[in-house]
Amino acid sequence: EDQVTQSPEALRLQEGESSSLNCSYTVSGLRGLFWYRQDPGKGPEFLFTLYSAGEEKEKERLKATLTKKESFLHITAPKPEDSATYLCAVQAGYGQNFVFGPGTRLSVLP
Amino acid sequence: DAGVTQSPTHLIKTRGQHVTLRCSPISGHKSVSWYQQVLGQGPQFIFQYYEKEERGRGNFPDRFSARQFPNYSSELNVNALLLGDSALYLCASSVLDAGEFFGPGTRLTVL
Repeated sequence: EDQVTQSPEALRLQEGESSSLNCSYTVSGLRGLFWYRQDPGKGPEFLFTLYSAGEEKEKERLKATLTKKESFLHITAPKPEDSATYLCAVQAGYGQNFVFGPGTRLSVLP
Repeated sequence: DAGVTQSPTHLIKTRGQHVTLRCSPISGHKSVSWYQQVLGQGPQFIFQYYEKEERGRGNFPDRFSARQFPNYSSELNVNALLLGDSALYLCASSVLDAGEFFGPGTRLTVL
């Protein structure tokens, strides 16, 4: 069974304090790994798709990387507006459904 | 361009009742997926539809059903509601097998 775990469960950072969030996965064959941001009471917002080990994607203060067993979401010099829950999801193959992790709740304090 | 829209925004039902949730995908997206999200957890996959055909089904009871219409909009139906069905129901649309774009969700409360 495909599984996704995320750590830490919650993270508090001071503004400007860089850190990384982890997404570990177990799938029979990874077609894609997806990162989302979710604000309270809203639907997830798509951030990145990663397809192969070694791939990296960047957007503003966020950079996502992928290895054969895990992905990292690096947050550089975060701001309070980066506070949200960050979700990762995997798709095992074409036509397979997306399996989400439980998320990491990030709080960035001014 | 309009994003994914869902209706209603909030809904309160009592146990045993039936509910219908609606979703309109982003224009040009033919794939629609439904998810249930309980507070503090990630979304759990319920259904995926593509070109009006069911493409995938998650581990949910037969009380849950869905369909997709010719204009690619979709409905999620839940019969015989239980207290445990209280959750945020999310609809997502995509170009098939690409990253999904989510709507704002429908908050269902079952009393």
